[in-house]
Parts: sequence; C-alpha cells; structure tokens
Amino acid sequence: QKEVEQNSGPLSVPEGAIASLNCTYSDRGSQSFFWYRQYSGKSPELIMFIYSNGDKEDGRFTAQLNKASQYVSLLIRDSQPSDSATYLCASFSGNTPLVFGKGTRLSVIA
Amino acid sequence: DARVTQTPRDKVTEMGQEVTMRCQPILGHNTVFWYRQTMMQGLELLAYFRNRAPLDDSGMPKDRFSAEMPDATLATLKIQPSEPRDSAVYFCASAEDLNQPQHFGDGTRLSIL
Repeated sequence: QKEVEQNSGPLSVPEGAIASLNCTYSDRGSQSFFWYRQYSGKSPELIMFIYSNGDKEDGRFTAQLNKASQYVSLLIRDSQPSDSATYLCASFSGNTPLVFGKGTRLSVIA
Repeated sequence: DARVTQTPRDKVTEMGQEVTMRCQPILGHNTVFWYRQTMMQGLELLAYFRNRAPLDDSGMPKDRFSAEMPDATLATLKIQPSEPRDSAVYFCASAEDLNQPQHFGDGTRLSIL
C-alpha cells in the first residue's frame, strides 16, 4: 500500500528562522511530489512540486527530493507568522491519483 | 484566476436526509476528484473521474454514496441516507491530468445532526 508519512507536529519555529518540513514515502515508483499549504478552515493550496532529485527553489520556499532515501522536504526561509498552517505532502506514481500525507502543523512564533 | 467552484459552502441537515454536493471543475481540466477531510483521518480520496468516466470509487461507502459527472462542467456527490458519521468537509479538486497538480475548491462543510 502506497503511503506518505509526515510528522503531525506541531512544529514551532521563531519568526525569521528556517522551518524544515519532512515527508517520507513508501512507493519507490513515485515520480513526482507536491507540497500543499492548508490554513485552518480553508482548502489545500499548491505551493510547489518537484520531479527530479535535488533542490527546487521558489522565493522563500525550497523543495528537496532524495529518491534513494525516499525523502522529500520543504524548507521555508525567513518564516513569518503568516506561514503558520498545515503542510501536506503528496506523491504521484503511475496511473493512480496523488497519495496525501496527513500533514504537519507549523506554528511560527512572533 | 480559474477556480474550482463548490456548492453549497455549508450544509446542516438531519440524519436520513439526502445531501447533494456540486462541483464545477476548472475549464480544460479532465480529471476530477472528491475528497473527505476529518481531523482524525486527514484527506481521504472518495472517487475520481477522468474525461467524465469514473475510474475509482473504492474510497466511498457504496451503499449510501454516489458520485457522477453528468457533463464536463459538473460533478456531483450524493449521500442518501446521510448519517452523523458523514459530518466532515468535502473537497472537490480538478487537474489537467492524473500526474498534474490538483486545484481544490473551497469545500462543503457538512453537518449531519
């Protein structure tokens, strides 16, 4: 069974620090990975996706993928209180829909 | 910006009543998904369609749930009869294809009394 695992948190970081959110996946055939942000009472919103090993940067966000270790991470630089949300990791492999983790709750303390 | 539109935003009804939730996917997206989200279970995939054809509905209770896509601009999720354990937020999402990012609607917050 394909699974995506995330620490539920809460992960607390001070404002201005780097927040590191981690995700592991069980299916070695997973091809692409997606990070969603979900504010309380709102719907998931796509932040980034990554297909290749290595880093992908977009503004304050960096996604990191290590397929050998089956590990994906999301770094948020210069964390702001507005980054406080639940972050969902999802993987895609083959002809089945995205498999979502249960999310990590991030709290950025001012 | 193109958006997935869901109606109603909120629904409160009594146990045993029929509930119908509607979704208008983003124009040009050929894949539509229905999810249920609760605090305990997280995001659960109920059913999904590709080019209006149902591909998998194994995630939903067959005896009371049904999902259809009568045309490319409308997907529906029905619960009949509804039960208190169905209380959750139901999200619709659409994507250009299975391997592409999914875009979520605002959800329907369902409360069954």
